Amino acid sequence: EAGVAQSPRYKIIEKRQSVAFWCNPISGHATLYWYQQILGQGPKLLIQFQNNGVVDDSQLPKDRFSAERLKGVDSTLKIQPAKLEDSAVYLCASSLAGGEKLFFGSGTQLSVL
Amino acid sequence: QKEVEQNSGPLSVPEGAIASLNCTYSDRVSQSFFWYRQYSGKSPELIMSIYSNGDKEDGRFTAQLNKASQYVSLLIRDSQPSDSATYLCAVRRGGSNYKLTFGKGTLLTVNP
Repeated sequence: EAGVAQSPRYKIIEKRQSVAFWCNPISGHATLYWYQQILGQGPKLLIQFQNNGVVDDSQLPKDRFSAERLKGVDSTLKIQPAKLEDSAVYLCASSLAGGEKLFFGSGTQLSVL
Repeated sequence: QKEVEQNSGPLSVPEGAIASLNCTYSDRVSQSFFWYRQYSGKSPELIMSIYSNGDKEDGRFTAQLNKASQYVSLLIRDSQPSDSATYLCAVRRGGSNYKLTFGKGTLLTVNP
């Protein structure tokens, strides 16, 4: 079974630039999550989708972050403009609808200089 | 008060010893509790889930839950060097429509 796919694996940008991350969940997984993990911290939920609807985006900095999940499958997370404090690993995860177990992708490590 | 707090660590134990990892949570209506393991540079993976008060055992791992004390723990028996990783406690209020909140994690090192 293929896992959660994410790209790119690494990204280095300068502050005020924009960046986008892509995620393809496990086939059949209705729920998709984007987490931000700053070095030395636990993952923080940014947004949670159920199919293509948003379940929770209470911790998404909406002035600079946006996310979409078209057709209830792939998802993109965008940051515009980036700040130094956005340097982190961005993790995508998916689960079955109603499923408790999250499957994480490899993550995208973002460095904002 | 942080939603999910873990003992700060790092925790170092000799091979073969019992490693004890602790977690407290602030939301009294939390119903689902998880332990994820994260190797350095890798993504988290689920190793244990627990929903009822008491103990749940899976191989060398035992999760313990005390909802009255808002406390969750993970015991690793016969610790192996391959258990060296960061252990993340995660808590959810209800079903999968509620967000999963992670603690900061505790770094465990098992010395040969």
